[in-house]
Amino acid sequence: DSGVTQTPKHLITATGQRVTLRCSPRSGDLSVYWYQQSLDQGLQFLIQYYNGEERAKGNILERFSAQQFPDLHSELNLSSLELGDSALYFCASSVESGPRSGDTQYFGPGTRLTVL
Amino acid sequence: AQKVTQAQTEISVVEKEDVTLDCVYETRDTTYYLFWYKQPPSGELVFLIRRNSFDEQNEISGRYSWNFQKSTSSFNFTITASQVVDSAVYFCALSGDPGTASKLTFGTGTRLQVTL
Repeated sequence: DSGVTQTPKHLITATGQRVTLRCSPRSGDLSVYWYQQSLDQGLQFLIQYYNGEERAKGNILERFSAQQFPDLHSELNLSSLELGDSALYFCASSVESGPRSGDTQYFGPGTRLTVL
Repeated sequence: AQKVTQAQTEISVVEKEDVTLDCVYETRDTTYYLFWYKQPPSGELVFLIRRNSFDEQNEISGRYSWNFQKSTSSFNFTITASQVVDSAVYFCALSGDPGTASKLTFGTGTRLQVTL
């Protein structure tokens, strides 16, 4: 158990809908990352938050947004869902002891999103 | 931009065989970090090892060992006396890209199948 929790574990929804994925980082970790794992794109970085502020952005679609709350949990919002958004979404957390510290990222169990 | 190549898509071995998973990386950064993660059939991503670019010492942890060679930009992973429980997808990852903080760039993974 990495100490990172994600809910829900599975999500089935229809095209055009909006969903929210939730992540709680390990105790003491200030940084949260979101990754998408799909068959065609592999594991891709979406976005990072550090202590409530956006720190880095990857290949995140405009239809997707995220935030990190004062209690450090994070939510990833996916809207106007398309079939191609079906994937496993991972949240990870790290201490982020300094800029580019390369601290280990510990991953949650993931949320499997199926868009029908 | 950073890149990680895992040329072996799938490897099958018989239990007790030794197996080496290859990882080759590309980066222009002088400070970077390398990781290996394991993804068992249950789907979670399990952290195995972190290595920074200044530490070229090989590491051994039980049946696992890692060989980091900067001269060839490789960070290979060997499992000695493989067991059925080692069956999983193994990912090599790289961080340190100054443009995107600590994001991980993953390889495409190597699926290891260990049979009796």
